[in-house]
Amino acid sequence: GENVEQHPSTLSVQEGDSAVIKCTYSDSASNYFPWYKQELGKGPQLIIDIRSNVGEKKDQRIAVTLNKTAKHFSLHITETQPEDSAVYFCAASTGGFKTIFGAGTRLFVKA
Amino acid sequence: EPEVTQTPSHQVTQMGQEVILRCVPISNHLYFYWYRQILGQKVEFLVSFYNNEISEKSEIFDDQFSVERPDGSNFTLKIRSTKLEDSAMYFCASSAYTSGLDPQYFGPGTRLLVL
Repeated sequence: GENVEQHPSTLSVQEGDSAVIKCTYSDSASNYFPWYKQELGKGPQLIIDIRSNVGEKKDQRIAVTLNKTAKHFSLHITETQPEDSAVYFCAASTGGFKTIFGAGTRLFVKA
Repeated sequence: EPEVTQTPSHQVTQMGQEVILRCVPISNHLYFYWYRQILGQKVEFLVSFYNNEISEKSEIFDDQFSVERPDGSNFTLKIRSTKLEDSAMYFCASSAYTSGLDPQYFGPGTRLLVL
């Protein structure tokens, strides 16, 4: 069945450094890849998404890249701040019905 | 900014009891979803709902689960006879689905504890 693998499970960086989270997906029909940030006790919040017809997308300090051939996509956070500390989930969807989530990456940004 | 709301925030129930979790999706959205997250684990898709019927469901969504849109604003998840393993955080989400690739917006969740 569909699967999304996410690495690393935990990531600790110093404030100001960059953080990179990587995901791979199994269903080649996947064409929409959202990223969610989940803070303690809250629901996942969409932070950025990318569609399969685009290779890269950037929004201020956050960027996503997509390699459809390799079925890889990544989240890049630059100039990390303590408030970036949270659990980040990648996800893949074939068009809106069923979204498959990765296992999550717990990001710690040390001040 | 419009947001998805869910009630109750916490629910404690005895095994075998029925529970109903409620959600109010974003008002102009057309697709509705339920997900669950067991403590410390990934978010798992349960079901999607459009035009008053289920459009897709996962293997988790068995006969003990049902969804309903009883009126123009609420979207509910019913678990008929709860089991210990149903203890989890349940998230409702909605999307506009105007292009088939719309983001889903999640509510704050209901924490269900089955004793």
